[in-house]
Amino acid sequence: DAGVTQSPTHLIKTRGQQVTLRCSPKSGHDTVSWYQQALGQGPQFIFQYYEEEERQRGNFPDRFSGHQFPNYSSELNVNALLLGDSALYLCASSSQETQYFGPGTRLLVL
Amino acid sequence: AQSVTQLGSHVSVSEGALVLLRCNYSSSVPPYLFWYVQYPNQGLQLLLKYTTGATLVKGINGFEAEFKKSETSFHLTKPSAHMSDAAEYFCAVSAAGGTSYGKLTFGQGTILTVHP
Repeated sequence: DAGVTQSPTHLIKTRGQQVTLRCSPKSGHDTVSWYQQALGQGPQFIFQYYEEEERQRGNFPDRFSGHQFPNYSSELNVNALLLGDSALYLCASSSQETQYFGPGTRLLVL
Repeated sequence: AQSVTQLGSHVSVSEGALVLLRCNYSSSVPPYLFWYVQYPNQGLQLLLKYTTGATLVKGINGFEAEFKKSETSFHLTKPSAHMSDAAEYFCAVSAAGGTSYGKLTFGQGTILTVHP
């Protein structure tokens, strides 16, 4: 049984560009959450998707948006990239209270 | 609102020594508590969790943690450190219900170093 998968593993963008990150949840999980982990810090909650709708959102600007598909996979989109968006982006899936994390996508904004 | 404080950003122990990583939380509703481990350039792996029931919970790799409501703590311990335990450890809290259910709030992390 595959765990949570994310693509791509690494990404380099320039300021002002847009990026899309992808996540496939564990089999049987219907909820996907996204987190941003800056270097040397703990992950910060961006938002959570359930039944194709954003159920909760953290303190992130509208430049961060997402989508969940009928097969429960999810995308994170970031527009107008800033240098400060450079981070490890983690996806987690869950069916109840426990979240299981993918390996992350490391985004570097130059 | 919820928050987590991990006391000590770096902890160093000798191989075979006791590991104690401290976590205190704040939550306005009953909490769910978690410990995750992160190895370099990897995602987070669940070590253990407390939701309800027994306050002493056992996890993978010989780790355990005790939920102490009166102290708002959830410290992580392991009787005997192994070199492979060297990693960064994160304590996290989520709400057992209400509008914040499902949102994990993490501490800043504790880097564990194990010396031979």
